[in-house]
Amino acid sequence: GAGVSQSPSNKVTEKGKDVELRCDPISGHTALYWYRQSLGQGLEFLIYFQGNSAPDKSGLPSDRFSAERTGGSVSTLTIQRTQQEDSAVYLCASRGIQGQETDTQYFGPGTRLTVL
Amino acid sequence: AQKITQTQPGMFVQEKEAVTLDCTYDTSDPSYGLFWYKQPSSGEMIFLIYQGSYDQQNATEGRYSLNFQKARKSANLVISASQLGDSAMYFCAMREPQGAQKLVFGQGTRLTINP
Repeated sequence: GAGVSQSPSNKVTEKGKDVELRCDPISGHTALYWYRQSLGQGLEFLIYFQGNSAPDKSGLPSDRFSAERTGGSVSTLTIQRTQQEDSAVYLCASRGIQGQETDTQYFGPGTRLTVL
Repeated sequence: AQKITQTQPGMFVQEKEAVTLDCTYDTSDPSYGLFWYKQPSSGEMIFLIYQGSYDQQNATEGRYSLNFQKARKSANLVISASQLGDSAMYFCAMREPQGAQKLVFGQGTRLTINP
């Protein structure tokens, strides 16, 4: 498929455990975003990667959250020592560099994280 | 800072009717982009339509059109001839003009199409 893919689609974990969420952007898209969607906070920006530039981490809520992007493609969002307030849907989006794609972020299906 | 306001938490519309979903925005930047996304119960955010702040004409994409009123800072989504499959959450979003160009989202409107 040509769209953004994310895995797993659902993740249930126990409080205190670490989790890794994966995002595969649209091929050729250099910009990659992570957002979090929760009932109380709506949709929030977490982190942004663009090519080889340093990521914009300004939206990460705490130092338990980190993300990396290997080879300019796949990205992994890691949450350490998960807390119940981390329960949310984590959405990944990518953006291209030409034409209207420079403006539009295309989203993946999301990972629903539940922390018990 | 950018802000998006969607004042309609929920809307109910009869099938085949047109529906307008409201969105107002606030920004001090002269250059910005406005988006509408649809989120069905499956959870995926589906891009619908885009309007740039310097675009002279209202954007249209099939049954979707954007009623862009710059002076009023509104960017309402119009869906013509609604279908049952249009039932979903709809989010209005603004793109930051600089830096990460992240999206700032409104709280969303839940649209229900009745048969």
